[in-house]
Amino acid sequence: RKEVEQDPGPFNVPEGATVAFNCTYSNSASQSFFWYRQDCRKEPKLLMSVYSSGNEDGRFTAQLNRASQYISLLIRDSKLSDSATYLCVVNGGIGSARQLTFGSGTQLTVLP
Amino acid sequence: DVKVTQSSRYLVKRTGEKVFLECVQDMDHENMFWYRQDPGLGLRLIYFSYDVKMKEKGDIPEGYSVSREKKERFSLILESASTNQTSMYLCASSLGTGLNEKLFFGSGTQLSVL
Repeated sequence: RKEVEQDPGPFNVPEGATVAFNCTYSNSASQSFFWYRQDCRKEPKLLMSVYSSGNEDGRFTAQLNRASQYISLLIRDSKLSDSATYLCVVNGGIGSARQLTFGSGTQLTVLP
Repeated sequence: DVKVTQSSRYLVKRTGEKVFLECVQDMDHENMFWYRQDPGLGLRLIYFSYDVKMKEKGDIPEGYSVSREKKERFSLILESASTNQTSMYLCASSLGTGLNEKLFFGSGTQLSVL
């Protein structure tokens, strides 16, 4: 079983739709969680951290469910510019970026 | 904004060649990382460095070595390139080692080994 698993998609949604991605992780001791965004042929960039109580940044909402060991990303009112691959990232260690484990990504295409 | 620069965007090498991938960051970050990214496998950590001349193996160090002689520069070396090292190589840096430390990535080097 992979340490961090994501549905690879692709998710093809119309503009304005709401779309949600889930990501499961196997290490119950994981400490911190992130979503990174990677555009086609570009480098990953941090989209948002995921906090225990859930957090929102504009149209993006991230949630953490420790009991079931998954995190989610909800995108409301999808824009064409949201088309990208979304990487789930989990930090299983204590205070070290060395412990980051990346999911293989979920591809999103927003259609006009 | 932090800038992480990788020396080559595309590289084609032959089996058995020695390959150097260079990475430079301009924000005085302590930590630097080399990942490779392959379809369906996500990013996998090859090596990282938390200080000059310090290095630690990541999850897949076999066939690779690294050098960090200066704080801003982290080099990945393929001593004898093989076809299974064809991949996208991503360099990253981070300021510290906190739990919520943000990684800044270079734009990647697509290496093809023929």
